[in-house]
Amino acid sequence: GAVVSQHPSWVICKSGTSVKIECRSLDFQATTMFWYRQFPKQSLMLMATSNEGSKATYEQGVEKDKFLINHASLTLSTLTVTSAHPEDSSFYICSARAGLSYNSPLHFGNGTRLTVT
Amino acid sequence: GQNIDQPTEMTATEGAIVQINCTYQTSGFNGLFWYQQHAGEAPTFLSYNVLDGLEEKGRFSSFLSRSKGYSYLLLKELQMKDSASYLCAVNQAGTALIFGKGTTLSVSS
Repeated sequence: GAVVSQHPSWVICKSGTSVKIECRSLDFQATTMFWYRQFPKQSLMLMATSNEGSKATYEQGVEKDKFLINHASLTLSTLTVTSAHPEDSSFYICSARAGLSYNSPLHFGNGTRLTVT
Repeated sequence: GQNIDQPTEMTATEGAIVQINCTYQTSGFNGLFWYQQHAGEAPTFLSYNVLDGLEEKGRFSSFLSRSKGYSYLLLKELQMKDSASYLCAVNQAGTALIFGKGTTLSVSS
């Protein structure tokens, strides 16, 4: 089945530093990838839609200058949390749709647990 | 606006049957997905409904009524490993999925 790889699995960083999270589709090409964030005991909240070769589309309330998204190839999207603060501590998950049809399920990476101290 | 509602928590015993309901009100609808998520892990796909009716897949079945904005996930022959969160998600406008808050199911022996 379709596999989405996300790295790192967890990261601890100091306040004010930046962290880059990578999301790769291993056995399929993904022109679109989605970045979600999940706080403890809450559901997944869509942050942005990453489009290969063009600018990402951010959901309302998500700062595009803080959460930089780059989708330079059909198999790689990166999310950079810039100037991280403790309130950015969360579980970040990327996903992609393996098929071209809109009813193909989203496949998720294993997530990145970010802790900002 | 958009709203997806699920019960927050449910409990059941091994071998039993449990039904997790989901109601939705969204500005667009291109199908409904159910995902399972164990604590600290990524969601895994369980089922998809786009037409009214029941979709059966082993111990899991999912039902959809578009006119009522209603779906349920039915889990049969419950096992301890089924203890997890179950997420209802609507495919809106054919792009990203919009998730409900999830239902935490606890299965006891």
